[in-house]
This record gives sequence, structure tokens and C-alpha cells, in this order.
Amino acid sequence: LAKTTQPISMDSYEGQEVNITCSHNNIATNDYITWYQQFPSQGPRFIIQGYKTKVTNEVASLFIPADRKSSTLSLPRVSLSDTAVYYCLVGVIGAGTALIFGKGTTLSVSS
Amino acid sequence: GAGVSQSPSNKVTEKGKDVELRCDPISGHTALYWYRQSLGQGLEFLIYFQGNSAPDKSGLPSDRFSAERTGGSVSTLTIQRTQQEDSAVYLCASSVRLAGTNNEQFFGPGTRLTVL
Repeated sequence: LAKTTQPISMDSYEGQEVNITCSHNNIATNDYITWYQQFPSQGPRFIIQGYKTKVTNEVASLFIPADRKSSTLSLPRVSLSDTAVYYCLVGVIGAGTALIFGKGTTLSVSS
Repeated sequence: GAGVSQSPSNKVTEKGKDVELRCDPISGHTALYWYRQSLGQGLEFLIYFQGNSAPDKSGLPSDRFSAERTGGSVSTLTIQRTQQEDSAVYLCASSVRLAGTNNEQFFGPGTRLTVL
């Protein structure tokens, strides 16, 4: 069962690029890496998912090195509305594997 | 289309009472998940369903918790003899199929449970 480690909090300013790194040393061959965003009083929302190398969508990029023991969520040019908690998940449901969200990284964006 | 809905949005109950929390997943989603989130904490995974089957119930905090899903759609999470430590936001999510295989979970707004 892959455990993840993320920074508890990060601060940034509007317009900056933010990179949040997640460590998952025990990642298994079949595990995917998924990032979710959660605003206060709302359920989490899917941001991006990847298995290896780089994935990019309209919201973020996900960088995964060859050994897959870490991953970095990159948010380009953040705005105040990007202030939220970001969760890194590693795993594949099934065979008794649970999804662990952990406490996530609280990103605070200031003007 | 409609997203995941949960009811009630808020529930206040007295210690020792039973409560039922309901989740309506997105139509056609075969996988359904329950989590709970205590104040200021991350999400705690409780249970998932593939269709009507819950292969792993080990995430449920105690035997006072149970969940079922009928018709591959609506799910109910039941907490018997509620305790104050059960107070949390209970979140439900659904996905087209089990997560981790290039699939995303769509979350409902949650049910805030307060046990007095």
C-alpha cells in the first residue's frame, strides 16, 4: 500500500507557478498517481492523473520521474481562486487496496 | 447531467441514535465510494462498491457502520448508536469504473453529521 508524503502547506502569489511535490517511495507497478483539489465545504475535484513521464491538461501538469517514487503537480500562473487543499493519491482500487487521501497540501495564494 | 447528490445535507442527532446517509451517484457509474472528513483533516476512505458488491469493508471504523447499495445505484451508509466521534462530513463519490485506471471520482457535496 503506497503511502504519500506532501508538504502540509505552501504560500504563493498571484501569477506565479506553483509546484507541489508528492513522495511515494513504495509505489507499485500497477499504481496510478492522481491529484485532487478541494475547496472549503466542497467535495474534492479531480485535477489530473498519470502513470509516468508528463501529463498536461487545461488546468495543470503532472511530472513523474522514471522511478515513479515522486510526482510534481505544477499549477501555472496561480490566481486567488486556486487557494485550496491539494491531495496526491497513489493506488489502484481492488484486492483490498484502499485509497488514501492524507491531509493534503494547503495552498494559499495571495495578491 | 446531474452530479452526485447526497442527503441530507446536514444531520444533527443525539448520541446513541441511528442515522442513515444517502448517496445518489451519477447515472451509469458502476463504482461508488464513501469517505468521511473530520474538521481540518484529510479524507478517510470507508468503503467502495463495484455494482452492488463491497469487496472490502475493512475501512469501516467499527461494526456500528454499515453500507449497502441496491440496483447498482443508490447507496446508504448507516451508523448505529452514534457517538460524538462520528461527527464529520461524509462524502460520497462515484466513477464510471473503479478508480486508478484512468478514471476520476466525482464527489457529492457531503452530509455534515453532528452528534450531540
